[in-house]
Amino acid sequence: GAGVSQSPSNKVTEKGKDVELRCDPISGHTALYWYRQSLGQGLEFLIYFQGNSAPDKSGLPSDRFSAERTGGSVSTLTIQRTQQEDSAVYLCASSFVLAGGIDTQYFGPGTRLTVL
Amino acid sequence: AQKVTQAQTEISVVEKEDVTLDCVYETRDTTYYLFWYKQPPSGELVFLIRRNSFDEQNEISGRYSWNFQKSTSSFNFTITASQVVDSAVYFCALSEAMYSGGGADGLTFGKGTHLIIQP
Repeated sequence: GAGVSQSPSNKVTEKGKDVELRCDPISGHTALYWYRQSLGQGLEFLIYFQGNSAPDKSGLPSDRFSAERTGGSVSTLTIQRTQQEDSAVYLCASSFVLAGGIDTQYFGPGTRLTVL
Repeated sequence: AQKVTQAQTEISVVEKEDVTLDCVYETRDTTYYLFWYKQPPSGELVFLIRRNSFDEQNEISGRYSWNFQKSTSSFNFTITASQVVDSAVYFCALSEAMYSGGGADGLTFGKGTHLIIQP
């Protein structure tokens, strides 16, 4: 079946502009995750959605970052007033949620964000 | 707090050699999950294995094998008879128990080991 898809694959923007990154999870996966991969910080967990709600937003790097999920499916990660340090690959993953344990997260191809 | 350490930043071997990638983890939880992912040059993270803390059995899948030892908090990955296609960055990751109300949490990743297989 189809895997996790993300768009755009590449985004170049100017400092101070807003950007929206989109993630389409695997069909049937109720959990959705956003991560950021950068040279300096490695892979960082940003936020997790169970259905449409995000129980913990403390992983978001600053208040310029926000995320939402609608219809229990597609999610968007929005970065306002982008800064050069926001340049990174943003990865999305999805999984089932099991009653008694954690299921495997499957990752999308990522969006490479470059802030000039 | 949970932590994953992959001390080997880069390993370079000649094709057909065996290679072991080390992973050491820290967690205060008794229930946790360990993972290995492969990130080839294309960039997409590919799932390799998941192991829960109650299952210390080693696992073999073709040329890949994993050694989980709770006594040393390690979850090492061995590739036997390496091939050029194995060249990638390999990440070890940890996830602690779910919230009591059900749900999941983000993975804590190590910094990754860049494996180079030379022909």
